[in-house]
Amino acid sequence: EVQLVESGGGLVQPGRSLKLSCAASGFTFSNYGMAWVRQTPTKGLEWVASISTGGGNTYYRDSVKGRFTISRDNAKNTQYLQMDSLRSEDTATYYCARQGPRLRSPFDYWGQGVMVTVSS
Amino acid sequence: DVQMTQSPSYLAASPGESVSISCKASKSISNNLAWYQEKPGKANKLLIHSGSTLQSGTPSRFSGSGSGTDFTLTIRSLESEDFAVYYCQQYNEYPPTFGSGTKLEIK
Repeated sequence: EVQLVESGGGLVQPGRSLKLSCAASGFTFSNYGMAWVRQTPTKGLEWVASISTGGGNTYYRDSVKGRFTISRDNAKNTQYLQMDSLRSEDTATYYCARQGPRLRSPFDYWGQGVMVTVSS
Repeated sequence: DVQMTQSPSYLAASPGESVSISCKASKSISNNLAWYQEKPGKANKLLIHSGSTLQSGTPSRFSGSGSGTDFTLTIRSLESEDFAVYYCQQYNEYPPTFGSGTKLEIK
């Protein structure tokens, strides 16, 4: 059974950093691209970042470029999202999602999400 | 970015009825369109990809159609477990973008 479990969320002040983790199990992690997707009541679902199977290619939405870094450790079956210079508009529930091996793939499995609140 | 316009935003129906949800892309996305189901306390579930291909485990009462810019999710003979929120998403180009969701409630 495919499982994706996020951790690392919480309350953080604007301008500070937070690192999310996603532990994967039930599949060969290194064979799949991975992604982070966030959700807010006002903006709905927003793709944040994706990473290729080996980690050599990464993609970001414009609003997080230069502030967020997606990475993965295939030996640990874990992906990460390092979030720096956080802003109030980054407040959201963040989901870990599995993508196919191709760049253009849907998100075929999702985690249950972790809440990130950016507030002073 | 490709804008995904989903309608209606809210739909009320009774078990046994059939419903359809529309999703329109602001430019052609070929058939690179997915449909997801969101339920409280559960992980989002991929129902359909490639516009009309049922993901493994998706009941046959779900169907998807369309290509280019216009897509439809149809659910025949609604069952109680189908009342949820549904989203479309294009993955033809980056950034991937989602529709705003359709909440399907019991009438």
